Amino acid sequence: EPEVTQTPSHQVTQMGQEVILRCVPISNHLYFYWYRQILGQKVEFLVSFYNNEISEKSEIFDDQFSVERPDGSNFTLKIRSTKLEDSAMYFCASSEWLVGLNTGELFFGEGSRLTVL
Amino acid sequence: SQQGEEDPQALSIQEGENATMNCSYKTSINNLQWYRQNSGRGLVHLILIRSNEREKHSGRLRVTLDTSKKSSSLLITASRAADTASYFCATDTDNAGNMLTFGGGTRLMVKP
Repeated sequence: EPEVTQTPSHQVTQMGQEVILRCVPISNHLYFYWYRQILGQKVEFLVSFYNNEISEKSEIFDDQFSVERPDGSNFTLKIRSTKLEDSAMYFCASSEWLVGLNTGELFFGEGSRLTVL
Repeated sequence: SQQGEEDPQALSIQEGENATMNCSYKTSINNLQWYRQNSGRGLVHLILIRSNEREKHSGRLRVTLDTSKKSSSLLITASRAADTASYFCATDTDNAGNMLTFGGGTRLMVKP
């Protein structure tokens, strides 16, 4: 069964360092997302991406964050200068259809755990 | 409280019993979805119910939606130890574009 894959599964970094989290969405999906989950808290929306541009972003997704689809398969989340509060599990997701239309089902990866020291 | 709040926060039952989890939300929605998350893992989609639907079944899962009360429930019948996980409701709204808003989740433990 097709799946969303994420790398790395765990990254430890020093505060102020740049981090890139990578995702390979399901191949025929058109919509891509990043969510994050701070330990013990809710899953929070960061950004959605369609047709090579950001379609929606939350207040969390400030200037320190960026997303890119550098080729036909990868979808990356970059955090330019990490802070302690960026420590969280970051989930990539993809969907065939726009959320709110048709099934709206998101397929999530297993997550990348980011620890900022 | 925020869009999408589940209760109870934690539920412990014996194998074979039914588990009911509830979700309340604040604003009008297009759809409501339920996801499952095993500890430390990704979220897995369980079922979606549209705002014009009142009940939906999928295997041992039954979801209801009451838009007048802005609430939904997820019932897992004949629970198994393997159902132990956290369960989240997620809503999408006309005004929220392409994002899902997740609730805080219910941690379900099914004891063998």
